[in-house]
Amino acid sequence: GENVEQHPSTLSVQEGDSAVIKCTYSDSASNYFPWYKQELGKGPQLIIDIRSNVGEKKDQRIAVTLNKTAKHFSLHITETQPEDSAVYFCAASMKIIQGAQKLVFGQGTRLTINP
Amino acid sequence: DAGITQSPRYKITETGRQVTLMCHQTWSHSYMFWYRQDLGHGLRLIYYSAAADITDKGEVPDGYVVSRSKTENFPLTLESATRSQTSVYFCASKPGLADYNEQFFGPGTRLTVL
Repeated sequence: GENVEQHPSTLSVQEGDSAVIKCTYSDSASNYFPWYKQELGKGPQLIIDIRSNVGEKKDQRIAVTLNKTAKHFSLHITETQPEDSAVYFCAASMKIIQGAQKLVFGQGTRLTINP
Repeated sequence: DAGITQSPRYKITETGRQVTLMCHQTWSHSYMFWYRQDLGHGLRLIYYSAAADITDKGEVPDGYVVSRSKTENFPLTLESATRSQTSVYFCASKPGLADYNEQFFGPGTRLTVL
């Protein structure tokens, strides 16, 4: 089955600097890669996603890149702010029997922005 | 309130007891999911449902039972709770078949099994 590895598990950066979180996946059939942000005491919330027919996607300070050949994708946060402190999860899609897809999640990265 | 809700938010129980975690969504989404979140493991899928009366196992289904008699509800039951089932449980829903449809997560239930 699909396996998603996420690194690093913790990341601490100075406010204003950039943060990069990397994920690798195993199933070459995966075609959808979302990133979720989880704040303390809350459920994960989608912040950006990318489909396999696109190499890069950007939304303000957040960008995601995808390298299908190498089976890895990354989240880039620029000009980090204190409110970016959270746990971030990557995920990759995997076909399930009913014809739709399920998500397999990485282990999570705890990002801390230092003022 | 619109959205996806879970109850209870916190639960403490004892080994061997039956526990049911509730999940309710108001969007009429077809798909619903149960995950558990443990340190170092991220989110792992327990069970999912494609529609009312259609459910299937995820990665870690042992010790759990689900049902879905109505589209909006997807309860998760621990038939005989064990300490290893201490975790934070998240319910999620998504509309339709398209793989790029966003999954919306509930606020979670923190379960402690003593």
